[in-house]
Amino acid sequence: GENVEQHPSTLSVQEGDSAVIKCTYSDSASNYFPWYKQELGKRPQLIIDIRSNVGEKKDQRIAVTLNKTAKHFSLHITETQPEDSAVYFCAASIGGNFNKFYFGSGTKLNVKP
Amino acid sequence: KAGVTQTPRYLIKTRGQQVTLSCSPISGHRSVSWYQQTPGQGLQFLFEYFSETQRNKGNFPGRFSGRQFSNSRSEMNVSTLELGDSALYLCASSWRQDTQYFGPGTRLTVL
Repeated sequence: GENVEQHPSTLSVQEGDSAVIKCTYSDSASNYFPWYKQELGKRPQLIIDIRSNVGEKKDQRIAVTLNKTAKHFSLHITETQPEDSAVYFCAASIGGNFNKFYFGSGTKLNVKP
Repeated sequence: KAGVTQTPRYLIKTRGQQVTLSCSPISGHRSVSWYQQTPGQGLQFLFEYFSETQRNKGNFPGRFSGRQFSNSRSEMNVSTLELGDSALYLCASSWRQDTQYFGPGTRLTVL
């Protein structure tokens, strides 16, 4: 089955800096890649997603890039703010079987004011 | 629309007991997925139901089972509880076959 690896496991940045989280996947049939943000004690919330027919997608300070050849995708957060502090999860789903998701192990982002 | 709801929010059981968790999806969503979240293993996919049928299944033992009702509400059951079953159990619903919306989770503690 699919295997999603996520790095780093923890990331500490200064407010205003950029943060980058990287994920790799193993199954070339994966074609939908969402990113979730989970604040302490709260549910995961979708923040951005990308499909395999797109190389990059942006939403204000957040962007996701996808390299299908290398089978990796990344989350980029610019101008980080303390409220960006949370655990971020990447995920991949395979082919026509969208609703079976494989999640990365999570990255704990700490934005220092 | 109301979000995904889960009951109960917290549960304490002892080894060998069984437990049933409930998930009510967003109105109109027909797909419900269940995940187990633990600090060491992240989010692990348990199973997915669509229109009362289990459509996908993860790599969990048969002690973990589920079902979905005609109103799309779903239940998850764990029999013969083990200490290692202590976790946050999340359900997620979706309308189309992509974006999933998570519930707040049920925190299960097995003593």
